[in-house]
Amino acid sequence: NAGVTQTPKFRVLKTGQSMTLLCAQDMNHEYMYWYRQDPGMGLRLIHYSVGEGTTAKGEVPDGYNVSRLKKQNFLLGLESAAPSQTSVYFCASKGADQPQHFGDGTRLSIL
Amino acid sequence: SQQGEEDPQALSIQEGENATMNCSYKTSINNLQWYRQNSGRGLVHLILIRSNEREKHSGRLRVTLDTSKKSSSLLITASRAADTASYFCATALGGNTPLVFGKGTRLSVIA
Repeated sequence: NAGVTQTPKFRVLKTGQSMTLLCAQDMNHEYMYWYRQDPGMGLRLIHYSVGEGTTAKGEVPDGYNVSRLKKQNFLLGLESAAPSQTSVYFCASKGADQPQHFGDGTRLSIL
Repeated sequence: SQQGEEDPQALSIQEGENATMNCSYKTSINNLQWYRQNSGRGLVHLILIRSNEREKHSGRLRVTLDTSKKSSSLLITASRAADTASYFCATALGGNTPLVFGKGTRLSVIA
């Protein structure tokens, strides 16, 4: 039982490049979330999903897209990376009326 | 925008002492949760307290909630070096609505 797995763990991009971060959970959770964590800012919600095939915007969605084609996977895409998107990205999942389970993060640097 | 604000931002104590962290929030909530984050890792759920509860215990953790003051406190008793981490409060407006995290308290427990 791996819980929440994020890939990759580290990545360096050049400005303007695109990439996709993958989050996979094996707990059959309905809800999944993408956050970014910046120094002194805590966690801010980017996008979330309340079930397979659904997505919704969080607090800071601009510059990101998401997809939830399969219940166990939640993908976060950066269309054209900008230095302001340098951050640590966390994925989380949860069942109904349950607390969130987090992955260990993806550290993304954009030069 | 952050709903919860933790106080203090940083706390340093000796092993065996108690550590108290506070969280204030702005709007009515369904529940408030506390999470711990070790350096370089994802967040781990500690305890959830619902709006109709005033106090909850879990091992060495004690959480209180005062909805009239819109505040909560997390007490860690008999602290250990392994308790060194960042602690975040998070609020939920509904049972399954997205959490809004504060900026966290960095706790250092010195052996």
